[in-house]
Amino acid sequence: NAGVTQTPKFQVLKTGQSMTLQCAQDMNHEYMSWYRQDPGMGLRLIHYSVGAGITDQGEVPNGYNVSRSTTEDFPLRLLSAAPSQTSVYFCASSYSGQVKNIQYFGAGTRLSVL
Amino acid sequence: AQTVTQSQPEMSVQEAETVTLSCTYDTSESNYYLFWYKQPPSRQMILVIRQEAYKQQNATENRFSVNFQKAAKSFSLKISDSQLGDTAMYFCAFMNGGATNKLIFGTGTLLAVQP
Repeated sequence: NAGVTQTPKFQVLKTGQSMTLQCAQDMNHEYMSWYRQDPGMGLRLIHYSVGAGITDQGEVPNGYNVSRSTTEDFPLRLLSAAPSQTSVYFCASSYSGQVKNIQYFGAGTRLSVL
Repeated sequence: AQTVTQSQPEMSVQEAETVTLSCTYDTSESNYYLFWYKQPPSRQMILVIRQEAYKQQNATENRFSVNFQKAAKSFSLKISDSQLGDTAMYFCAFMNGGATNKLIFGTGTLLAVQP
């Protein structure tokens, strides 16, 4: 089972560049989300989706866009990268049924913005 | 708004001994879930244990157990017979029991198991 797959694993950008972090899951999960992890701050929610075509903002959404055209994919777009977006990004997914509270995480993407 | 606090940035324990990691949270909700996640140097987030707030019995998973004190809003993790592979960052997390599955994380405790 592939689970939650994130690509790329590492990325270096220059300030002002744009890019998309990819996230795909093969478990038919309705719920998907993006977190960023910064030293001393734990993981913070950027955006989430409760199903295809439905997205909403989390705690730190500024500078990021998302869309959910299929159940499987939930890409995160950085429109104009800034040094403050240097972080490790995690995608997670879960069911929305009775076992909805178990979230599965991808391996993370380490992003550096110079 | 819910908050999760881990007051121990770093801890150390000798192999085979027992260690307890602390976590407190704040919420006005009655239906919620609590989790401990482990993040080893590989960076992968691994679910260690979870607790439903409506269950009074403390959750246990092999060498890992929790002390859930709902009135005190405390959720500590006890690791028994510590092993070198337990060395990792441990995050406490809260999830409301509503329609979304948003996790709110604490800042983490870095646990080092010494040989």
